[in-house]
Amino acid sequence: SQTIHQWPATLVQPVGSPLSLECTVEGTSNPNLYWYRQAAGRGLQLLFYSVGIGQISSEVPQNLSASRPQDRQFILSSKKLLLSDSGFYLCAWTMYSGSEAFFGQGTRLTVV
Amino acid sequence: RKEVEQDPGPFNVPEGATVAFNCTYSNSASQSFFWYRQDCRKEPKLLMSVYSSGNEDGRFTAQLNRASQYISLLIRDSKLSDSATYLCVVILRDSNYQLIWGAGTKLIIKP
Repeated sequence: SQTIHQWPATLVQPVGSPLSLECTVEGTSNPNLYWYRQAAGRGLQLLFYSVGIGQISSEVPQNLSASRPQDRQFILSSKKLLLSDSGFYLCAWTMYSGSEAFFGQGTRLTVV
Repeated sequence: RKEVEQDPGPFNVPEGATVAFNCTYSNSASQSFFWYRQDCRKEPKLLMSVYSSGNEDGRFTAQLNRASQYISLLIRDSKLSDSATYLCVVILRDSNYQLIWGAGTKLIIKP
């Protein structure tokens, strides 16, 4: 069966520090991968998605970036965090375009 | 107009009651539809797919109305554990099969 791992679960980082969140999927190959952010009490905001290794589409301009160095690995990064980067970050995957999404446990990021 | 709209609620419903949510979508190229449940401070989890013919899973029934462009979720005999936020998602056939999420409807079941 397929599983998705996302870590860490919680993170407190000072303003201006770098960020690296990692997500890996097991049990499938060539998944579509997504990074979302969810502000408290709000909906999901798509940040990045990838349909293959090295293929990243960005949905919102900001100081975050994403990379897909391996087929089942998706990394969200920032060189310098802002207070506004605080939120709940969720990684998700779909088996193919048009199928349902499955989420990692999420990372609750607080920038202080 | 948002591509996918949901009443944010909260819906305050007594235990045992029946409750229904709607989710409207604006793009007629929408191909696939799903309902998710999200508990507080947790990730969304797939509740059920929504098929053109409608589908039922225990106390939950999902329906699709393509003509009016909405999907619905009906929960019968609601339980305290049904308290959560319910998200609908629409997948567009064009636009590279993007998932378009509603902002969610919060449901609170009261004893």
